[in-house]
Amino acid sequence: DVKVTQSSRYLVKRTGEKVFLECVQDMDHENMFWYRQDPGLGLRLIYFSYDVKMKEKGDIPEGYSVSREKKERFSLILESASTNQTSMYLCASTQALLNGSPLHFGNGTRLTVT
Amino acid sequence: AQSVAQPEDQVNVAEGNPLTVKCTYSVSGNPYLFWYVQYPNRGLQFLLKYITGDNLVKGSYGFEAEFNKSQTSFHLKKPSALVSDSALYFCAVRVYGGSQGNLIFGKGTKLSVKP
Repeated sequence: DVKVTQSSRYLVKRTGEKVFLECVQDMDHENMFWYRQDPGLGLRLIYFSYDVKMKEKGDIPEGYSVSREKKERFSLILESASTNQTSMYLCASTQALLNGSPLHFGNGTRLTVT
Repeated sequence: AQSVAQPEDQVNVAEGNPLTVKCTYSVSGNPYLFWYVQYPNRGLQFLLKYITGDNLVKGSYGFEAEFNKSQTSFHLKKPSALVSDSALYFCAVRVYGGSQGNLIFGKGTKLSVKP
């Protein structure tokens, strides 16, 4: 089974801190994604990566950046955390989205910014 | 604009009754359609998908979904609901181009199954 591991289940950070959310997948998938989940808004794509060192903006990239230095790891960075970034963050991966391969999700990181 | 809609925020059914969770879509080209389930404090799990072929697709945990091209719908169904089916369900569709990483999700439908 594919395993997508997010390093933290819960995080509490202060406004203005730089925050790193880490995600690792063990199936050599090409594509990795970061979503944000908020009640009533569903999942919104922040960034995705289709290869090492490659990244593309999703719908809501403002205030975030990403890093993919190795194929198995995709990091989401909040440069200066704000209270409106309090949310559930979900990482996902898939081998080939264009041919209908499903996404595999981690269990999420619930981030609270105070 | 390409989109996916789940018209019901919540669906309530009694255990043992059939359930339906609705999804409609609007995409250019042939749609790839997916259903995912999310249990509390967990990530999303893949249930089933439609790529091509039979309009009725079967997935995990006894769920199935019917693709209807004329109505642009992909409703999730189960003949007999279980209390353990209570969860949040998301429909998703592959889109062509745009910034969504080729997959967009509906806002989710909370399914509540009562004993």
